[in-house]
Amino acid sequence: AQRVTQPEKLLSVFKGAPVELKCNYSYSGSPELFWYVQYSRQRLQLLLRHISRESIKGFTADLNKGETSFHLKKPFAQEEDSAMYYCALVETTSGTYKYIFGTGTRLKVLA
Amino acid sequence: DTEVTQTPKHLVMGMTNKKSLKCEQHMGHRAMYWYKQKAKKPPELMFVYSYEKLSINESVPSRFSPECPNSSLLNLHLHALQPEDSALYLCASSPRGTGGLETQYFGPGTRLLVL
Repeated sequence: AQRVTQPEKLLSVFKGAPVELKCNYSYSGSPELFWYVQYSRQRLQLLLRHISRESIKGFTADLNKGETSFHLKKPFAQEEDSAMYYCALVETTSGTYKYIFGTGTRLKVLA
Repeated sequence: DTEVTQTPKHLVMGMTNKKSLKCEQHMGHRAMYWYKQKAKKPPELMFVYSYEKLSINESVPSRFSPECPNSSLLNLHLHALQPEDSALYLCASSPRGTGGLETQYFGPGTRLLVL
């Protein structure tokens, strides 16, 4: 079965320190992966997706098919990055696609 | 209007009640989704509507009944729920829902408590 694993429930880092949120997946086809973020009292929203290879709010994520990983990275964490981060894998079923979310990692950036 | 809206924000209902959750978007999206999110857990897909037709039902109990009256509106009718159904119910939409990568746009959710 397709699966997304985020091994860390909570990650605490100091402001200005590098951040890496881990995401590993298992998928039989060519994976399509996203990172979604949920700030406190805000709705779930897209952070970035692997196909666009862009940097949003200083975050980047590279798909590593050999290691089946899609880790989210930022060189210098900011306090406003504190949030819940979900890695999501897209599964296609009968022409319709759906997200499979990882369990999420709560990032706390300490002053 | 570039948001997905959900009403009500909070709902408390008894196990014998019938209630409905409403989701609306005016972005011209043709795919809409219902998710259930328990505390400290990721969203779990319940239903997908594509072009107003139900395309995915993730083996959801029949006490949850989705309805898509038109391309902008998605309802979730609730009847004879159990306390374990208490959760945050999220609605989302995406442009087409078929083929290719699409961003899903999420609503703020309805927090449901079943007593």
